[in-house]
Amino acid sequence: EVQLVESGGGFVKPGGSLRLSCAASGFTFTNAWMSWVRQAPGKGLEWVGRIRSKADGGTADYAAPVKGTFTISRDDSKNTLYLQMNTLKTEDTAVYYCTWLIGFSFRYWGQGTLVTVSS
Amino acid sequence: EIVLTQSPGTLSLSPGERATLSCRASQSVSSSFLAWYQQKPGQAPRLLIYGASSRATDVPDRFSGSGSGTDFTLTISRLEPEDFAVYYCQQYGSSLYTFGQGTKLEIK
Repeated sequence: EVQLVESGGGFVKPGGSLRLSCAASGFTFTNAWMSWVRQAPGKGLEWVGRIRSKADGGTADYAAPVKGTFTISRDDSKNTLYLQMNTLKTEDTAVYYCTWLIGFSFRYWGQGTLVTVSS
Repeated sequence: EIVLTQSPGTLSLSPGERATLSCRASQSVSSSFLAWYQQKPGQAPRLLIYGASSRATDVPDRFSGSGSGTDFTLTISRLEPEDFAVYYCQQYGSSLYTFGQGTKLEIK
């Protein structure tokens, strides 16, 4: 059974940093392209970024609103995906979902972790 | 960036009725790159349709997707009580992914 379990969410002040983790199991994480998607309270879904498998280069792409401030990384030895979020703004408040990207769609989702940015 | 516009914003129907949800793209989208998701309150989204018309694992056959170019449709043939939720379309293009704003399907 595929499982994606996010952690690391919480309350942070504007300008602060936070690192989210996503523990993956039930599939070959090493070969997987992974992604983060977020959802602000009461709003729709917004893609944050994706990271390729190491075999496909291991590089990441980001949505415009987070480019330069968020960094996606992976530790294949731990089957874990990360999202480092710096210079956080109030508009970054959202539930952050870890997803397994298969083809061009987000096939499996974690339960999400809430990040609240407020003074 | 390709913008996806979903209509209607809210759809009020009764169980047993047919639901037709629309997703229009600001530029042509390859059918391979179009997906639909269902989200219920307090839950993560669930993939329903990928490649515009292929059902994901364990998705009932009352859900179907169609369309091409800039116009795509999600059809639920006969609504069950558990189908009332928010539905999102999503596309991939130029290394970017975008979602529509969602259609809320509510019980009439």
